[in-house]
Amino acid sequence: GQNIDQPTEMTATEGAIVQINCTYQTSGFNGLFWYQQHAGEAPTFLSYNVLDGLEEKGRFSSFLSRSKGYSYLLLKELQMKDSASYLCAVGGNRDDKIIFGKGTRLHILP
Amino acid sequence: EAGVAQSPRYKIIEKRQSVAFWCNPISGHATLYWYQQILGQGPKLLIQFQNNGVVDDSQLPKDRFSAERLKGVDSTLKIQPAKLEDSAVYLCASSQYRRNTGELFFGEGSRLTVL
Repeated sequence: GQNIDQPTEMTATEGAIVQINCTYQTSGFNGLFWYQQHAGEAPTFLSYNVLDGLEEKGRFSSFLSRSKGYSYLLLKELQMKDSASYLCAVGGNRDDKIIFGKGTRLHILP
Repeated sequence: EAGVAQSPRYKIIEKRQSVAFWCNPISGHATLYWYQQILGQGPKLLIQFQNNGVVDDSQLPKDRFSAERLKGVDSTLKIQPAKLEDSAVYLCASSQYRRNTGELFFGEGSRLTVL
């Protein structure tokens, strides 16, 4: 079976750092994606990890551990515009599907 | 470069009526996906096309949903007859990659309300 777990909601303060965790169990693995989705808008791509380790891209970083079935998205220097849902998604190499988790709604407080 | 185009943006129908959504992917993208996103949840894959062939439709309720991608470009998703639980945003996405190793580009979605 396939299962992706991430927290439903998180709250953080403007200027702070927040880490959003994602654990997964999938039949095959071809990479892990993070997408950002503002309310009423389409998801937009943030990052893609296929090898273990940390990928840094500006204020956002994404980490992957394939042996643990674990990833996290790290957001630094939080801004009000970072209030959104963050979707963890996994690509499976056996069935070529990209499966999304339910998303984590991040609330940023001033 | 033009993005993924979808229409209509919004549709309100009564249960048991039919509805169709249209998607035009980014030029040159071979892979096209239809996702259903119910409020507060992540997108759920309904069907995936590679050119004009179906790669996966295991989660498509085939008794009421149908989709086609003629000539490997535009795609339509149809629901007939609609049920209340079909109220959702229908997202179309495309990718230039065959093996789902790359970024998906999403359209703005078609929001369906079934009364």
